[in-house]
Amino acid sequence: GENVEQHPSTLSVQEGDSAVIKCTYSDSASNYFPWYKQELGKGPQLIIDIRSNVGEKKDQRIAVTLNKTAKHFSLHITETQPEDSAVYFCAARGGGGADGLTFGKGTHLIIQP
Amino acid sequence: DARVTQTPRHKVTEMGQEVTMRCQPILGHNTVFWYRQTMMQGLELLAYFRNRAPLDDSGMPKDRFSAEMPDATLATLKIQPSEPRDSAVYFCASGFLAGDYNEQFFGPGTRLTVL
Repeated sequence: GENVEQHPSTLSVQEGDSAVIKCTYSDSASNYFPWYKQELGKGPQLIIDIRSNVGEKKDQRIAVTLNKTAKHFSLHITETQPEDSAVYFCAARGGGGADGLTFGKGTHLIIQP
Repeated sequence: DARVTQTPRHKVTEMGQEVTMRCQPILGHNTVFWYRQTMMQGLELLAYFRNRAPLDDSGMPKDRFSAEMPDATLATLKIQPSEPRDSAVYFCASGFLAGDYNEQFFGPGTRLTVL
């Protein structure tokens, strides 16, 4: 089955700086890669996603890049703000018609004022 | 503002008791998922349904867990008998999965504590 590795587990950045979180996946047939933000006591919130036929996608301060050859994808957050502090999860949907997501272990992003 | 709803939000029970968690997916969504989140294992898929039919429950302990969709507006996850190792947050997610549509939207979760 699919295996997703996520790094780093904790990331502390100064407010206004950029943050980058990286993930690798194992199943070359995986075709969909969402990113979720989870705040304390809440469910994961979908913030951006990318399909395997696209190399990059951007939504305001958030961007995701995908390298299918290397089987890795990354989340980029620019001009970080205090409200960006949360746990971020990457995920992958495997091929073969399976719709369930395999998640990384999460990155605790801390924005220092 | 369409959302996935889950009840109860918190449940404390004793080992051996039956636990039922409920989920109301977003209206119009055709796929419903159950995930479990623990500190040790992270977020794991337990089971999911498409148009109320079970498609995959390979992530679920078969002897004590069962998942059903009695109708399009209700999904249930039942544990009988419950054990302390079942303590976790259980999330329901729904989505309209077809063609280029892949998004899954999560509910707020049910935090289960089994003593």
